[in-house]
Amino acid sequence: KQEVTQIPAALSVPEGENLVLNCSFTDSAIYNLQWFRQDPGKGLTSLLLIQSSQREQTSGRLNASLDKSSGRSTLYIAASQPGDSATYLCAVTIAGTALIFGKGTTLSVSS
Amino acid sequence: DTGVSQDPRHKITKRGQNVTFRCDPISEHNRLYWYRQTLGQGPEFLTYFQNEAQLEKSRLLSDRFSAERPKGSFSTLEIQRTEQGDSAMYLCASSNRDGERGNGYTFGSGTRLTVV
Repeated sequence: KQEVTQIPAALSVPEGENLVLNCSFTDSAIYNLQWFRQDPGKGLTSLLLIQSSQREQTSGRLNASLDKSSGRSTLYIAASQPGDSATYLCAVTIAGTALIFGKGTTLSVSS
Repeated sequence: DTGVSQDPRHKITKRGQNVTFRCDPISEHNRLYWYRQTLGQGPEFLTYFQNEAQLEKSRLLSDRFSAERPKGSFSTLEIQRTEQGDSAMYLCASSNRDGERGNGYTFGSGTRLTVV
């Protein structure tokens, strides 16, 4: 059974700091991995999608990497801002199933 | 296209009442998913449709829950005889057929259900 784990569960950093969020999954036979952002009480906003054949994706200050063989992905946020404060969710898809999510990392960036 | 729309945004209901939520997916997406999310947890899969066919249901979907997608466009999720444990955020997502291999999933803003 595929399980997705995100570490840390919560993270507090001062504005301007670079940070890394971690995601691990138990079954390496994934089709893709997607990172989402969720603001309190809101739905999910897609940040980055990495296909299984790719190693990384970048969008602005965000960079996501994927290492299928080790079952890991990282989300790197450069020069963090208070507006980055949110919960970040990692999710994977494998054959015949819908998205399987981790519990998320709640990020707080102080000014 | 304005993305995935969910209605209502918030619903407060008394225990034992029935509630119905609606989801309008991205028009060119033929797959539609329902998820439930409780506080501090990631979204949990409930069920999904390909066009009008309901292809998979989670064991979380008790017999009090029913979902439909009658014309392969919008979908409804009904909860009968609501219980306090049903209080959660109900999220809808859509993708194309190759969403799992292709462009991923797009989520709506969710419906927050509170059962009092």
